Amino acid sequence: QVQLQQWGAGLLKASETLSLTCAVYGGSFSGYSWSWIRQPPGKGLEWMAEINYGGSASYNPSLKSRVTISRDTPKKQFSLRLSSVTAADTAVYYCARVTSGISLYHYYYMDVWGKGTTVTVSS
Amino acid sequence: QSVLTQPPSVSAAPGQKVTIACSGSTSNIENNYVSWYQHLPGTAPKLLIYDNDKRPSEIPDRFSGSKSGTSATLDITGLQTGDEADFYCGTWDRRLSVYVFGTGTKVTVL
Repeated sequence: QVQLQQWGAGLLKASETLSLTCAVYGGSFSGYSWSWIRQPPGKGLEWMAEINYGGSASYNPSLKSRVTISRDTPKKQFSLRLSSVTAADTAVYYCARVTSGISLYHYYYMDVWGKGTTVTVSS
Repeated sequence: QSVLTQPPSVSAAPGQKVTIACSGSTSNIENNYVSWYQHLPGTAPKLLIYDNDKRPSEIPDRFSGSKSGTSATLDITGLQTGDEADFYCGTWDRRLSVYVFGTGTKVTVL
């Protein structure tokens, strides 16, 4: 059974860089895409970024200039960096496995999730 | 602001049925598959439905999904107190080139 374990700094100051890592246990890494999603307090879920099985990255345009997703395939890990954080970046951050492709339509869903990391940005 | 709209809340008594609607557009729901997630704050979201109407093996058949045009629906039958959570629809948006989540619906069991 695939499990995702994530970690990273939980308290940042404004203008610092958020850095989170997610490790994949018990399943294939190379054959999947991987993503990061966040939930600010009292708000809904927001898809942030994805790195696909080929190593190409996609980003939410609302974050594109500040966010970077990367992977370390031998370690079965992927990471998120978000620069110049502000209080608006305070959220619970989740890593997730993505299943996606094209059949009749584009299918895309997150079927395995990490437990989440609470990140608080202070001014 | 999300491009997928859901009612903020729905409620029903134990054993009853609730329906959660997810309204989108031609750039998202109409031309892509929809998934649904259950989320208890403080825990990892759980995939309930994928490809509009398919359930992972561990999800009971009390949960069902459908899609028609630019809208999707999640039905929960035989409502249980353990079903209280936030529910989100999601799909790829071709115009925005992002995965979008719905605004979320809180299910309350009366």
